[in-house]
Amino acid sequence: GNSVTQMEGPVTLSEEAFLTINCTYTATGYPSLFWYVQYPGEGLQLLLKATKADDKGSNKGFEATYRKETTSFHLEKGSVQVSDSAVYFCALSDNSGYSTLTFGKGTMLLVSP
Amino acid sequence: NAGVTQTPKFQVLKTGQSMTLQCAQDMNHNSMYWYRQDPGMGLRLIYYSASEGTTDKGEVPNGYNVSRLNKREFSLRLESAAPSQTSVYFCASSATSGVTTGELFFGEGSRLTVL
Repeated sequence: GNSVTQMEGPVTLSEEAFLTINCTYTATGYPSLFWYVQYPGEGLQLLLKATKADDKGSNKGFEATYRKETTSFHLEKGSVQVSDSAVYFCALSDNSGYSTLTFGKGTMLLVSP
Repeated sequence: NAGVTQTPKFQVLKTGQSMTLQCAQDMNHNSMYWYRQDPGMGLRLIYYSASEGTTDKGEVPNGYNVSRLNKREFSLRLESAAPSQTSVYFCASSATSGVTTGELFFGEGSRLTVL
């Protein structure tokens, strides 16, 4: 079956530090890959996505590249802000018939001033 | 623009009691979903509805029932609540039947505690 593995958190950084959150996946066929973000007390929001190998998704300074050879979709940001503190979820859709999203367990990011 | 609205936001139940979580979306989306979120487990799909009139089981359907009342509304019912159902429940919707585009729109969540 499909699965998504994320690095465990919390990830604690100082403002302006570089961020990497690792995500690897197992899926049949050619999945689409996503990062969702959950701010405290809120529901999840789509942050970025990539639908085929070597695609780079980007939004709000965050980037992730779909690497089929390593089955990875790592999230990066060059300079984090306190407002980026949230839980980040990697997810996939295997695009087979009617598909739903499979989520990773989430990684909490804490950014201090 | 309300998006996805869930009620109630908080609920405390005793073991064996029943309750229904309500969800409504105003985006004219075809598909709706119920997820539960537990610490260290991420989000797990309980049930989904690809379109009005259809419902299907997800990863963890036991102990739950759903009703797709119309295109806007999708409810989740716990017939006999158990402590293992203590969780935060999220309703979501998507425009397409299927999530190839990946954009699910989530409600703010309903925190349920079963004593």
